[in-house]
Amino acid sequence: GDSVTQMEGPVTLSEEAFLTINCTYTATGYPSLFWYVQYPGEGLQLLLKATKADDKGSNKGFEATYRKETTSFHLEKGSVQVSDSAVYFCALSLSGGYQKVTFGTGTKLQVIP
Amino acid sequence: DTGVSQDPRHKITKRGQNVTFRCDPISEHNRLYWYRQTLGQGPEFLTYFQNEAQLEKSRLLSDRFSAERPKGSFSTLEIQRTEQGDSAMYLCASLSGRADTQYFGPGTRLTVL
Repeated sequence: GDSVTQMEGPVTLSEEAFLTINCTYTATGYPSLFWYVQYPGEGLQLLLKATKADDKGSNKGFEATYRKETTSFHLEKGSVQVSDSAVYFCALSLSGGYQKVTFGTGTKLQVIP
Repeated sequence: DTGVSQDPRHKITKRGQNVTFRCDPISEHNRLYWYRQTLGQGPEFLTYFQNEAQLEKSRLLSDRFSAERPKGSFSTLEIQRTEQGDSAMYLCASLSGRADTQYFGPGTRLTVL
């Protein structure tokens, strides 16, 4: 079945460091790919998405590129802030999000001043 | 747009009791999804509705679980004869027919003693 694998955390970075969180996927069709973020005490929020190969999703300084050849969707940010501390989930869905979303296990990011 | 709301936010119950959770989707969102998230894991799909019709159920949804969306607006998820393994965060999400992004509620945290 469809699945998402992301790097285990926690990841601890100093403020202004470069962030990469790896994510790879397995899917039977052509999924849409998502990164969701869960801040402490809050619900899941969509961070960014990409719906087809080579698309780049971006938001709040975060970026991820849909790489069909490597079945990957790595999350990057050039300079993290303390406010980026959260749990990040890579996810996929067939039919552009209309069907169920399959999530990875999440990566906890802690940014220290 | 007031977002997806869930009630209650926290529920503590004793093993063997029945519990019911409610989800109010974003107004006019015709698709509604239920997920379960255990500690340290990503959300797992349980079931979803398009209007009042329940279109898919995960094998995770045992016969002790039942979900309804009687008028195509709010939904309820009932767990009968709760077990300690049911302890988790239960998340609801909704989706507009014109969009491809699921919006999540804050969740109901269930603790079964």
